[in-house]
Amino acid sequence: ETGVTQTPRHLVMGMTNKKSLKCEQHLGHNAMYWYKQSAKKPLELMFVYSLEERVENNSVPSRFSPECPNSSHLFLHLHTLQPEDSALYLCASSQDWADISNQPQHFGDGTRLSIL
Amino acid sequence: GQNIDQPTEMTATEGAIVQINCTYQTSGFNGLFWYQQHAGEAPTFLSYNVLDGLEEKGRFSSFLSRSKGYSYLLLKELQMKDSASYLCAFMFSGGYNKLIFGAGTRLAVHP
Repeated sequence: ETGVTQTPRHLVMGMTNKKSLKCEQHLGHNAMYWYKQSAKKPLELMFVYSLEERVENNSVPSRFSPECPNSSHLFLHLHTLQPEDSALYLCASSQDWADISNQPQHFGDGTRLSIL
Repeated sequence: GQNIDQPTEMTATEGAIVQINCTYQTSGFNGLFWYQQHAGEAPTFLSYNVLDGLEEKGRFSSFLSRSKGYSYLLLKELQMKDSASYLCAFMFSGGYNKLIFGAGTRLAVHP
């Protein structure tokens, strides 16, 4: 139990569907992150939220739309995805984002996304 | 640019010692992390180095040489449960802090 919960664990969707991934952290952290993990590739940072404000958008296509309604919850809204978007999507949180470099990020177990 | 390299796969025997190397090239280096990730699970934090030298934490130790852009993770008294991917990541500080990950080293521990 890492304190970061992601739902659903698995998602299969067609290219025309709209779905959302949910992340919730119970650690009292102020920063939350979305990462994409493809097979045999490094984790790629997608979005960073600090105190509910988006502070990083790492050149992610607009078919991925994040939302952070409060510091404990983070969503990733998906629409008209492509087959190459099939991957493991990981959410993470840390105490703060920019000020302290030695704070580890705590990850959820991820959502395994498959695009048909 | 930012580049980080680690071996793709390694195998070792239960009870042995294994060293997983990681090299990086970057400006704006601000610390190095190691994470462990079992298949289908979350990456979990193992260690953090920002100064040169060895940090020991039980069976796991991590070493950093900033001048060489080099780190290693040392696992002693290997157990079967240590079979996992080990992710090297450095903190890039270019106005903000951002973790840059390597592709991970998949370690298989055999009896």
